Amino acid sequence: DAGVIQSPRHEVTEMGQEVTLRCKPISGHNSLFWYRQTMMRGLELLIYFNNNVPIDDSGMPEDRFSAKMPNASFSTLKIQPSEPRDSAVYFCASRPGQGRGSNYGYTFGSGTRLTVV
Amino acid sequence: DAKTTQPPSMDCAEGRAANLPCNHSTISGNEYVYWYRQIHSQGPQYIIHGLKNNETNEMASLIITEDRKSSTLILPHATLRDTAVYYCIVRVGGGGADGLTFGKGTHLIIQP
Repeated sequence: DAGVIQSPRHEVTEMGQEVTLRCKPISGHNSLFWYRQTMMRGLELLIYFNNNVPIDDSGMPEDRFSAKMPNASFSTLKIQPSEPRDSAVYFCASRPGQGRGSNYGYTFGSGTRLTVV
Repeated sequence: DAKTTQPPSMDCAEGRAANLPCNHSTISGNEYVYWYRQIHSQGPQYIIHGLKNNETNEMASLIITEDRKSSTLILPHATLRDTAVYYCIVRVGGGGADGLTFGKGTHLIIQP
């Protein structure tokens, strides 16, 4: 299993440009999460999906941020337009579906380091 | 709404046991204690979790006090590669699709 795959690993873009981050969860995992990490705020949960449906997007900072999960094997996080304060490392994570008495760990990807200049 | 309290940093000599404490005095009966770590420039990695009994796996041991208000993660023979930020997280068990809430964690530095 290749784990959670994120692309690109690094992205440098100019302010005002659209940025799209991609994530492929582990096959068979029903839940997918997007996190953002900065020195000031640490790891923040942005949005999560269950069975491809967005469950809670209360962590999305602004309307400039949007996320989609068109199928079980792919998700995107889009920022349009991007701003310098969006510079951060963005992580995607997935976990298996729930079951009675189950407690599954989350598997994180390696992250995308976004720099907006 | 921090549910856990951890020291910001700790040092440990290579080859010795690293004992990382976590206080969770407001833990509820159905909440588990989870530990994750984040090595520099990588995503967080699951280590171990438990409800009330002590747990051990190939990475670490988790000791939870009888009143469940605190716990200790033990890395039995720390190596330089164990240098990382360690997060103690309390959450409801039984599966569920909600995300993890990370605090500031403990920055563990293994000294050669």
